[in-house]
Amino acid sequence: AQSVTQLGSHVSVSEGALVLLRCNYSSSVPPYLFWYVQYPNQGLQLLLKYTTGATLVKGINGFEAEFKKSETSFHLTKPSAHMSDAAEYFCAVSGGTSYDKVIFGPGTSLSVIP
Amino acid sequence: GAGVSQSPSNKVTEKGKDVELRCDPISGHTALYWYRQSLGQGLEFLIYFQGNSAPDKSGLPSDRFSAERTGGSVSTLTIQRTQQEDSAVYLCASAARGLQETQYFGPGTRLLVL
Repeated sequence: AQSVTQLGSHVSVSEGALVLLRCNYSSSVPPYLFWYVQYPNQGLQLLLKYTTGATLVKGINGFEAEFKKSETSFHLTKPSAHMSDAAEYFCAVSGGTSYDKVIFGPGTSLSVIP
Repeated sequence: GAGVSQSPSNKVTEKGKDVELRCDPISGHTALYWYRQSLGQGLEFLIYFQGNSAPDKSGLPSDRFSAERTGGSVSTLTIQRTQQEDSAVYLCASAARGLQETQYFGPGTRLLVL
């Protein structure tokens, strides 16, 4: 069965600073990996995902994540934080079998300080 | 419609009453998920429907919770004899096919049990 951990329930960065949100997973099969974002008072939407191919994945709003199999990680980064990036970020994993479900991490709340 | 819709958007009920929450997925999406998001918490998986297969009910917290999906489209989540701890936002998501696909989330139903 899959599981997801996100280090840091709350992260604060200064505007213009690097954003790094950590995600580690466990899976017995090659995983599909996702980052979703939930802006205040809005629904969840996909930032980016890894299924196969290139391990560095680029998403919307300048975010990217790298799948590192050896480290079982899928950390999310953005070179320069913007005030509009303040939101809740969820990492998710699903397995390769047909009936496994998508498991979400507990989320990381990102604050951007002016 | 263009996206996933859920109704009602808000529901206030008395402890012990039954409630039904509805989800209309994106047309043509074969996968449908229900999650529960409690205040300040991550997404708790409840149930997963994929096509005509038997649903994965492993996340339902008790036998008071049940869900069905009629005709492979609309889904209803029913909570019987509601308890105060059932208060949460219930989110529905649909996806085109399998677990590698992006989930599209509805706006959620905010349930308050008094």
